[in-house]
Formats: sequence, structure tokens, C-alpha cells
Amino acid sequence: KQEVTQIPAALSVPEGENLVLNCSFTDSAIYNLQWFRQDPGKGLTSLLLIQSSQREQTSGRLNASLDKSSGRSTLYIAASQPGDSATYLCAVVAMAGNQFYFGTGTSLTVIP
Amino acid sequence: DAGVIQSPRHEVTEMGQEVTLRCKPISGHNSLFWYRQTMMRGLELLIYFNNNVPIDDSGMPEDRFSAKMPNASFSTLKIQPSEPRDSAVYFCASREQGAFGELFFGEGSRLTVL
Repeated sequence: KQEVTQIPAALSVPEGENLVLNCSFTDSAIYNLQWFRQDPGKGLTSLLLIQSSQREQTSGRLNASLDKSSGRSTLYIAASQPGDSATYLCAVVAMAGNQFYFGTGTSLTVIP
Repeated sequence: DAGVIQSPRHEVTEMGQEVTLRCKPISGHNSLFWYRQTMMRGLELLIYFNNNVPIDDSGMPEDRFSAKMPNASFSTLKIQPSEPRDSAVYFCASREQGAFGELFFGEGSRLTVL
């Protein structure tokens, strides 16, 4: 069964710092990987979707990379802002069963 | 597009009562997912539909839970009878048919069973 891990569980950084969030998965047989953001009391907002054939995707200050062979993805946030404070989750779509497998998330706090 | 729409946003009920949660997926999306989120267990898949047909309901906790999708624009998740341990946030999500589409979530229904 696919397992998705996100380390660290929590991260606190000063405003303006560049940071990297990590996501690892055990089975490289995936269709794609998606990064989400969740604010307290809200639903999950899609940030970036990377297909298995792609190496990275960019949206504004966000850049997500995918190394399928090693089972890793990173979300890079440039010039962090207090408004980036949220929980970030990654999810992979496994070829077996065509289901989404979610990590437990990284809670990010950006200190003004 | 209005996105995935869920109702009610909040529900407080007493143990033993029936609870019905509703979801309207994004128009044109053929796959619909129901998730439950708690602090202890994180995000759990309960059931998902393709073209209104339930594909995998192995995540449904027990017979007290049931889900239907009578048409492409509406789905319900029912709990009968409800128990305090069912208290959680229930999310509905949808995507275009196939494995390559982006998943979009609703705002969730926060259920409290007293």
C-alpha cells in the first residue's frame, strides 16, 4: 500500500526566508502528485499538480519538483510571507486503485 | 465556476439522530470523493464515485454510513444513527474523469455529535 510522509510536521520561519517542504512516497507507480494548502477551518486548496512525466511545476513564488524514481517531491516557497502560514499537504494518485494517498501535512508558520 | 459546494457547513446533532451531508461537484467532473478529517487520523477516504457509480467504499467505517450519487451533480453522505465518534469534518472533492485530473475540495461540513 502506498504511504506518504511529510517531514517536518511543523515549521516556523521568519518572514522573507526561502523554504522547502518535503514529501516522500513509497511506491513510484503514480499518475501524479498534487500539493494543497489548508487554512484553519477551511477546505484544501490546490496549489500545484505535477504529472508523473514532469519534473517540476511553478506558480508564482511556489515551485514543486518531482523525483518519481526516488519517491520524493519538494515544495519550494520563495520569499515567505505571513499569509503563507497554513498546513501544506501532498497527495499522490497511485496507479493501483487510482486513489489519492495523502500525507499528514506540514504546518507552516511565517513570523512577521 | 462556483467550485465544489457542500452543505451544511456546520451540523450539531445528538447521538442517535440521522445526519445527511450534501455535495454538488464541479460541473463536468465525473469523479467524486468523500473524505473525513480528524486530528487523530488525518484525512481518510470514505468512498469515491466514477460516473455516479461507487467504485471503492472500503473506507466507509461501518453500516451506519451510506453514500449515494443519484446524478452527476449531487451526492449525499448519510450517517444513521450518528455517534459521538463520528464528529469530524467531512469533505467532498471532485475531478475530471481519469487519473490525471486535478482534485478540488469543498469547504467541508463540520459535524458535532453530542
